[in-house]
Amino acid sequence: AQTVTQSQPEMSVQEAETVTLSCTYDTSESNYYLFWYKQPPSRQMILVIRQEAYKQQNATENRFSVNFQKAAKSFSLKISDSQLGDTAMYFCARYNNNDMRFGAGTRLTVKP
Amino acid sequence: DVKVTQSSRYLVKRTGEKVFLECVQDMDHENMFWYRQDPGLGLRLIYFSYDVKMKEKGDIPEGYSVSREKKERFSLILESASTNQTSMYLCASTPDGGGYNEQFFGPGTRLTVL
Repeated sequence: AQTVTQSQPEMSVQEAETVTLSCTYDTSESNYYLFWYKQPPSRQMILVIRQEAYKQQNATENRFSVNFQKAAKSFSLKISDSQLGDTAMYFCARYNNNDMRFGAGTRLTVKP
Repeated sequence: DVKVTQSSRYLVKRTGEKVFLECVQDMDHENMFWYRQDPGLGLRLIYFSYDVKMKEKGDIPEGYSVSREKKERFSLILESASTNQTSMYLCASTPDGGGYNEQFFGPGTRLTVL
């Protein structure tokens, strides 16, 4: 099965600092979609950011941005000015051809 | 706001019991999904449905079945619960267009099978 790999099971960052979460994926398709989802403790999972593979420009949502390297099949998430509310599990996901794959997740802790 | 609700946050069942997990969405979404979430494995798709009475197997359908009699409701059924089905179960929905749209998740049901 084509997979999504998040190599960092856990990370921590000081409040107001910047942190980058890594994600690599596998696909044989030329067009696909990539996502970062956030699951705060005991709360519902929500979408952080979405990237369409045919768009070369990296997606940005406020303090969240991605570094999308299509040739390397890499899709990292950068969180700037980290806040305590960013503490959560973060899942990278890839969708193509009715196939949705999630990574194992990275548990991020923001320390005061 | 899209709202996806699940019938229970926590559930404890005995081995061999038949278990029903219910999911309801209120935004007229076409597609609904059931995942299980396990530490170190992320989310794995059990079943999805793109229309009423339609269903498709995901990656791990064994031991599970689903029902979608109404558009807003998608049920996951464990015919005979086993201890290896102890997990967090997440329901999600998307509007027409499939998985390239944002998925809206329910709060999850943590199922323990004793």
